Amino acid sequence: QVRLQQWGTGLLKPSETLSLTCRVYDGSFSGYLWSWVRQSPGQGLEWIGQIDQSGFTSYSPSLASRVTISIDRSRIQFFLKMNSATAADTATYFCARAREYGGSRHTHYFDPWGHGTLVTVSS
Amino acid sequence: SSELTQEPAVAVALGQTVRITCHGDSLRTDYVSWYQKKTGQAPLLVMYAGTFRPSGIPERFSGSDSGSTALLTITGAQAEDEADYYCNTRDSSGDHVVFGGGTRVTVL
Repeated sequence: QVRLQQWGTGLLKPSETLSLTCRVYDGSFSGYLWSWVRQSPGQGLEWIGQIDQSGFTSYSPSLASRVTISIDRSRIQFFLKMNSATAADTATYFCARAREYGGSRHTHYFDPWGHGTLVTVSS
Repeated sequence: SSELTQEPAVAVALGQTVRITCHGDSLRTDYVSWYQKKTGQAPLLVMYAGTFRPSGIPERFSGSDSGSTALLTITGAQAEDEADYYCNTRDSSGDHVVFGGGTRVTVL
C-alpha cells in the first residue's frame, strides 16, 4: 500500500521561500501525477500544482508565478517551492498522488494523501 | 471563485439520508471525485469516477451524476460521517484541477 510522508519548514518570515518534500513509500512514480494541495485556516482545499514522472508540470494560475514543483526519481521524492511567501500562504500543505485517465469522460482523483504540514508565515 | 459549486452546509438526522451536490460545466466532460475532510486529518477519497467507491469506504456512500451536476449520497448517516466534503475535477480548460468550496455535513 503506497504511502506518502512529507516534511518541511513550518515557520517562515514574509518574503522567504516555502520548501516542502514528499517521499513515496512502496510505490513508483510511473503512471501518476504527484500533487500539492493546501488548506488555509477556515478555508477550503486549493490545488497548487502537479508533476508527472517526466517532469511535466501544471500549476494553479493564481500561484504559477511563485511555485515550482520538481521530482527526484532516484529518491522517489517530489518537492514544492513557493517563493515570496506572505501571510496569505499560511496553510496546511498536503502532498498527494493523483490518477488521471481518459475515456468517454475524463477522470482525475487524489489518493493517497500525505498527513499534511502546517506552514505559518509570520514576521 | 470556484468553477465547482457546492452548498455550504447541510444537516441530517442520525440514520437518515443526506445528498451533497456539486455543480459545474466541467462535469459534462469529466467525472467527479469526492473527499471527506475532518479537522486535523488528511482528505480521504470516498468516491471517484462519479460512482466508484474505494476499498474501505462504507457502502452507505454512493455517487451519481447527470449533466452538470454530481451527487454524493450518504444513506443512513452515522456520527462519524460528520465532516466537510469536497468535490473535485478539472477546470474548463482541462489543464488545471479545481475543488468545490466544500459542504459541511452535520449529523444531528
